[in-house]
Amino acid sequence: SQTIHQWPATLVQPVGSPLSLECTVEGTSNPNLYWYRQAAGRGLQLLFYSVGIGQISSEVPQNLSASRPQDRQFILSSKKLLLSDSGFYLCAGTSGRAYGQYFGPGTRLTVT
Amino acid sequence: GQQVMQIPQYQHVQEGEDFTTYCNSSTTLSNIQWYKQRPGGHPVFLIQLVKSGEVKKQKRLTFQFGEAKKNSSLHITATQTTDVGTYFCAGGFKTIFGAGTRLFVKA
Repeated sequence: SQTIHQWPATLVQPVGSPLSLECTVEGTSNPNLYWYRQAAGRGLQLLFYSVGIGQISSEVPQNLSASRPQDRQFILSSKKLLLSDSGFYLCAGTSGRAYGQYFGPGTRLTVT
Repeated sequence: GQQVMQIPQYQHVQEGEDFTTYCNSSTTLSNIQWYKQRPGGHPVFLIQLVKSGEVKKQKRLTFQFGEAKKNSSLHITATQTTDVGTYFCAGGFKTIFGAGTRLFVKA
């Protein structure tokens, strides 16, 4: 079965510092991958999705970027964090054989 | 762009009462998915509906997809404290999520 790995679980970063969050997928190949951000007590905001290596679609103009250097690796980055970047970042994936998205455990980012 | 609206935002029930959350899309959906997120956790996929008028059941949970494939509902019969969490619907190619309904169950 498909498993999504994310780390770290929590992260505290100062304003203006860079960010790199990594997501890896196990148990499937050629998945569609997604990055979401969730503010406290709110819904999921789709940030980026990818249908393959090097293919990234951005849904919301912002201070973040994403890359997919390998089939089962999806990276979320920022050159300079803003206070508004705080939130719960979730990576999710789907594959042709599975219905629905499988989510990783998420990273709680606090920008101070 | 496509929007998925979900109501209510919050629902407080007494244990044993029923609960329903509704999902409406601005456009026709190829499918609708439902997820549950426990407090402090990540969303977990519950089910997908693809056919017009489809009804599926999982124990005390009943999921419906509207005839026009623009709305859906999740109904929980006789809620239990383990049902606490936020229920999200999501649909479309990009899997756009609704804002969720947060369920509180009082024992």
